[in-house]
Amino acid sequence: GAGVSQSPRYKVAKRGQDVALRCDPISGHVSLFWYQQALGQGPEFLTYFQNEAQLDKSGLPSDRFFAERPEGSVSTLKIQRTQQEDSAVYLCASSLGGGSWADTQYFGPGTRLTVL
Amino acid sequence: AQKVTQAQTEISVVEKEDVTLDCVYETRDTTYYLFWYKQPPSGELVFLIRRNSFDEQNEISGRYSWNFQKSTSSFNFTITASQVVDSAVYFCALRLHFGNEKLTFGTGTRLTIIP
Repeated sequence: GAGVSQSPRYKVAKRGQDVALRCDPISGHVSLFWYQQALGQGPEFLTYFQNEAQLDKSGLPSDRFFAERPEGSVSTLKIQRTQQEDSAVYLCASSLGGGSWADTQYFGPGTRLTVL
Repeated sequence: AQKVTQAQTEISVVEKEDVTLDCVYETRDTTYYLFWYKQPPSGELVFLIRRNSFDEQNEISGRYSWNFQKSTSSFNFTITASQVVDSAVYFCALRLHFGNEKLTFGTGTRLTIIP
């Protein structure tokens, strides 16, 4: 597709439910990133992949958060036993990868998660 | 660890006025990249500009201009002759050359252009 897509755009979950958020990166992009954006704040890094390898998951707030990218394309962020503090916008970004000066992350529209 | 500070939480200006958004960053690395993104009400972060640490030339793109000064660790963004469509939240971000490719964002500046 032309850009990064995410689904669903909105998700309402009851506390304790599991949720799965999907990200489709720009075709051919090697690197994929997940960020969490709380209301009124800047995005905070969660984790990133190069192809199917998860190179850094240091930003995941707890072991209830899990991300995967099994075939090096689509990625899923899963949150188990959701809690109210998980309510945020989850942003996915992709880039060509390699970390060169020309590398730029392009973002999807985000998934707004509300935990009741 | 790196840090980005956007001290201006909210700015309001009347249409056609010029406005400057401030960004100050901290890093011990000598090679890094700076970015500005725009987040309109729709929520999607839109890439505006990328700058590398060894190129301090200022840049102009239409009504937008950027002033990068390593001596003060600042990367400020100016909109000339502002328009209502410029209303959005603007984020400054930093990425290191070595290691993790993640972006470190500031807390953003909400810009409102009053018609």
